[in-house]
Amino acid sequence: ETGVTQTPRHLVMGMTNKKSLKCEQHLGHNAMYWYKQSAKKPLELMFVYSLEERVENNSVPSRFSPECPNSSHLFLHLHTLQPEDSALYLCASSQESSGANVLTFGAGSRLTVL
Amino acid sequence: GDSVTQMEGPVTLSEEAFLTINCTYTATGYPSLFWYVQYPGEGLQLLLKATKADDKGSNKGFEATYRKETTSFHLEKGSVQVSDSAVYFCALRSAGGTSYGKLTFGQGTILTVHP
Repeated sequence: ETGVTQTPRHLVMGMTNKKSLKCEQHLGHNAMYWYKQSAKKPLELMFVYSLEERVENNSVPSRFSPECPNSSHLFLHLHTLQPEDSALYLCASSQESSGANVLTFGAGSRLTVL
Repeated sequence: GDSVTQMEGPVTLSEEAFLTINCTYTATGYPSLFWYVQYPGEGLQLLLKATKADDKGSNKGFEATYRKETTSFHLEKGSVQVSDSAVYFCALRSAGGTSYGKLTFGQGTILTVHP
């Protein structure tokens, strides 16, 4: 495996379900991110983890709960979601240092909330 | 705050046509600028970047020049191919501080190239 791997690629859930999205990076990066991509809207940064500590939480509703157990893995736990949460959720990683640090994205998890 | 504005799409071209996708930005200081591409069913891939004024980023025949005076980073390609059909995103990252991966994205421009 190389790069950033996201599972599952597609997920359909009801509003009362609990599910999790998983992200794994094989690049040795020290920072990981969750972005939300909705139709006809710019990508929205949700969470940032640097060295396994959350450093950014962009006013995301508590029904989204991130977890970063180590520098290679990132989860997004989902519970009691709303239909408007249906979107493509993108994980990314980067090696944070001086300069223009480039993000490497995964293929995304397409979430549909019924 | 920072913002990125891309030309409205979708853009439809014939193969071998010239491509320009306009991108302008608002930011303080000297941000880093990026173009990402998203092919159908995939995540975003870095296409090219520029970190200071007058830098030209290039990759796969695509080019963009960091123009501080016009706050622009327009994407160009001299001859597009069907395989270039994708969504293109312009993005910036604020200069300095601990901005981590806090990229500000434009809304994306859908490009379709016909044979």
